[in-house]
Amino acid sequence: DTGVSQDPRHKITKRGQNVTFRCDPISEHNRLYWYRQTLGQGPEFLTYFQNEAQLEKSRLLSDRFSAERPKGSFSTLEIQRTEQGDSAMYLCASSLAATGSSYEQYFGPGTRLTVT
Amino acid sequence: DAKTTQPPSMDCAEGRAANLPCNHSTISGNEYVYWYRQIHSQGPQYIIHGLKNNETNEMASLIITEDRKSSTLILPHATLRDTAVYYCIADFYNQGGKLIFGQGTELSVKP
Repeated sequence: DTGVSQDPRHKITKRGQNVTFRCDPISEHNRLYWYRQTLGQGPEFLTYFQNEAQLEKSRLLSDRFSAERPKGSFSTLEIQRTEQGDSAMYLCASSLAATGSSYEQYFGPGTRLTVT
Repeated sequence: DAKTTQPPSMDCAEGRAANLPCNHSTISGNEYVYWYRQIHSQGPQYIIHGLKNNETNEMASLIITEDRKSSTLILPHATLRDTAVYYCIADFYNQGGKLIFGQGTELSVKP
């Protein structure tokens, strides 16, 4: 078990460019979550998947944001036409959800995005 | 999800017990209390969760009041590596959805 991994760890981009982040969850985990965290704040939920189905999206996830989990394994989060307000740490987490069991979420190290 | 309230910061001497309080007066009967922590520049880490009974694991103990309106996370022998932001979250068991993080408590363990 290598834990949740995220790539890249850091991304600097110019306003208006598109960026894509990747998350590889713990292999047997069926749920995958994306959160965003700005300086001094707790993480904010963006969206989550169960297998390949996207089950919930936050109002924070504007039309410029899209997330996929095509084969129920890794996930990508794309931000189109980046804005300076998108600068944040993007966190991915995974969990194993099964009836009658707990579902602690395991977080990756995050991708820090800076939009200049 | 019930709202939780935590003090913004606390200090603790190394080797002493750290007691982190959390108020969740609007918690419903089927909401669990979860604790996570986030060490600087890392992703959050699950610590412990509970419903009614006190819980203990290798990391910490969780004490929930009988009326379930508040709880305390106890780190029995705090070390410098326990310096982190600690988040208390009330959430439905196994709903699998989003975690709602508040501001948390920034715990500083001092030598």
